[in-house]
Amino acid sequence: NAGVTQTPKFRILKIGQSMTLQCTQDMNHNYMYWYRQDPGMGLKLIYYSVGAGITDKGEVPNGYNVSRSTTEDFPLRLELAAPSQTSVYFCASSLPPGGLSYEQYFGPGTRLTVT
Amino acid sequence: AQSVTQLDSHVSVSEGTPVLLRCNYSSSYSPSLFWYVQHPNKGLQLLLKYTSAATLVKGINGFEAEFKKSETSFHLTKPSAHMSDAAEYFCVVSGNNRKLIWGLGTSLAVNP
Repeated sequence: NAGVTQTPKFRILKIGQSMTLQCTQDMNHNYMYWYRQDPGMGLKLIYYSVGAGITDKGEVPNGYNVSRSTTEDFPLRLELAAPSQTSVYFCASSLPPGGLSYEQYFGPGTRLTVT
Repeated sequence: AQSVTQLDSHVSVSEGTPVLLRCNYSSSYSPSLFWYVQHPNKGLQLLLKYTSAATLVKGINGFEAEFKKSETSFHLTKPSAHMSDAAEYFCVVSGNNRKLIWGLGTSLAVNP
């Protein structure tokens, strides 16, 4: 199993450009998540999905969009890139939480710079 | 509401000495708690998790953590630090909506 894969690893965008960050998992996990990590900070949840066709906002959804057409894929779209979106983006997946017990599996991250 | 506080932003130890990374949490019910590690320019790896079973949890690479409800703490320890332990460590609590709430992280430096 490859686990959670993300592409690209690095990207530089100009202000106003758009891009899609790709995320794929091969563990048949229903739940998938997008986080951003700013320097010296913990992770903040952007969007999450509990299954194909279902998405919901996290803490910091503004400026982003997601879709979930399959169990495996959960792309994150930036429509009009802004310098405030310079960050490292992590995708994660998990099984549906059974009670309170679950863990998330993370991809290697995408380092995005907007100039 | 759930929250998590990592009490030290930076910890520096010498190789071979004990490691203590402190974490306090706030939760209105019995939480699940996790420690994740992030090595420089790498992704996140689960070290260990507490899920209401044994209060002393053993993880990978010799780390362990003890859940203390009376102190609302979940401190991470290791008896003897290794150079490869230098990394960022995150304490995480599961929220009542199954989302993870992350601490700000503790940077561990290990000196030779």
